[in-house]
Amino acid sequence: DGGITQSPKYLFRKEGQNVTLSCEQNLNHDAMYWYRQDPGQGLRLIYYSQIVNDFQKGDIAEGYSVSREKKESFPLTVTSAQKNPTAFYLCASSKGSRQREKVDTQYFGPGTRLTVL
Amino acid sequence: QKEVEQDPGPLSVPEGAIVSLNCTYSNSAFQYFMWYRQYSRKGPELLMYTYSSGNKEDGRFTAQVDKSSKYISLFIRDSQPSDSATYLCAMDAGGTSYGKLTFGQGTILTVHP
Repeated sequence: DGGITQSPKYLFRKEGQNVTLSCEQNLNHDAMYWYRQDPGQGLRLIYYSQIVNDFQKGDIAEGYSVSREKKESFPLTVTSAQKNPTAFYLCASSKGSRQREKVDTQYFGPGTRLTVL
Repeated sequence: QKEVEQDPGPLSVPEGAIVSLNCTYSNSAFQYFMWYRQYSRKGPELLMYTYSSGNKEDGRFTAQVDKSSKYISLFIRDSQPSDSATYLCAMDAGGTSYGKLTFGQGTILTVHP
């Protein structure tokens, strides 16, 4: 089955610890994205990557880091610098193609719920 | 002020009702307007999208965009209990920002049998 997998589903972290969230896709998509979802705030873009070995900051990149060494993988590290890391984290991917009047549909994984204790 | 505003609800309707979900936005550069549906504890999935102004219909769902008012709507006809979910509007300015989506807060919808 083609799709996006995120692991783990639930993650608990002590304050001051870094933690890495996994995101893998087998859709052969070029673009990948990380979002954070908090109650009542919708989804906010953390980082995105349109091609291997390249990525850009989104709207709330502070306290997070990413890498894109392989097309299939886009791991997100939540560092101890992130002030309020407890949230639902969603990874997405898309073809990365640009066609006028057509959206580049983003397909989402099942998410990782991170709780800082 | 947020770029995209969406009434979070919650919205509770009986089965068969017509549902109207709305978003307003402030960025006039937005060209692509999307609606995502998110079931509890799942990732969102794209329901439908519209490019620029106009209407688009897909079965029981109709999306409308009024760029002059910076207002978009999603109508659900003959609502079903399976439509119970959080509905998120999302917008894309295209150009160099293509693929960088801005989401509304989401509206929680419950359809009662």
